[in-house]
Amino acid sequence: QVQLQESGPGLVKPSGTLSLTCTVSGASINSFSWSWIRQSPGKGLEWIGYIDYRGSTNYNPSLKSRVTISIGPSKNQFSLNLTSVTAADTAVYYCARHLPVGAARPTNWFDPWGQGALVTVSS
Amino acid sequence: SYDLTQPPSVSVSPGQTATITCSGDKLGEIYTSWYQQKAGQSPILVIHQDSKRPSGIPERFSGSNFGNTATLTISETQAMDEADYYCQAWDTTTVVFGGGTKLTVL
Repeated sequence: QVQLQESGPGLVKPSGTLSLTCTVSGASINSFSWSWIRQSPGKGLEWIGYIDYRGSTNYNPSLKSRVTISIGPSKNQFSLNLTSVTAADTAVYYCARHLPVGAARPTNWFDPWGQGALVTVSS
Repeated sequence: SYDLTQPPSVSVSPGQTATITCSGDKLGEIYTSWYQQKAGQSPILVIHQDSKRPSGIPERFSGSNFGNTATLTISETQAMDEADYYCQAWDTTTVVFGGGTKLTVL
């Protein structure tokens, strides 16, 4: 059974950097593509970006200048960095696996999702 | 950018059929997936590739996608189906979600 778990600071100061890690169990991170998705309080889902099994990335154009997704820091983990955060970045951040196996493609869907990590941007 | 439009809310009586739509330009030419999100939980996949049900999802969940509209249909709706539902597609290389539909089972 594949499981994803987000971790990282729950509070980030304005203008700081939001950093989260997703730990994957039950699947090899080198075989799939992986996305970060967020949900502001009471709002809908917003895709942030993905990293594929080759390490290639693609980001939401609205966040592209501030986002970096990378593999690591440990085996079977991938990470999200979001710089210059404001209160508008307060959200629950989810990591999710792309299916089917392989490179990210426009035919992909997301399963499973992590339980989510609430990050609040506040001084 | 590519937009997916969903009705904010849909209401249905227990045992009846719920229909949730997702509209986008030529949406029928690309695959759509659907996710269910119950209060306080993370989303789960209920339909992928327009009409395919993952294992463990009840047969009462079905999907279709033609023209500009994808549709999630829940037959014999149960109280446990009350949730937010999101459609998802790709705009070439980026992912797009609909705004979500709150399904209320009255």
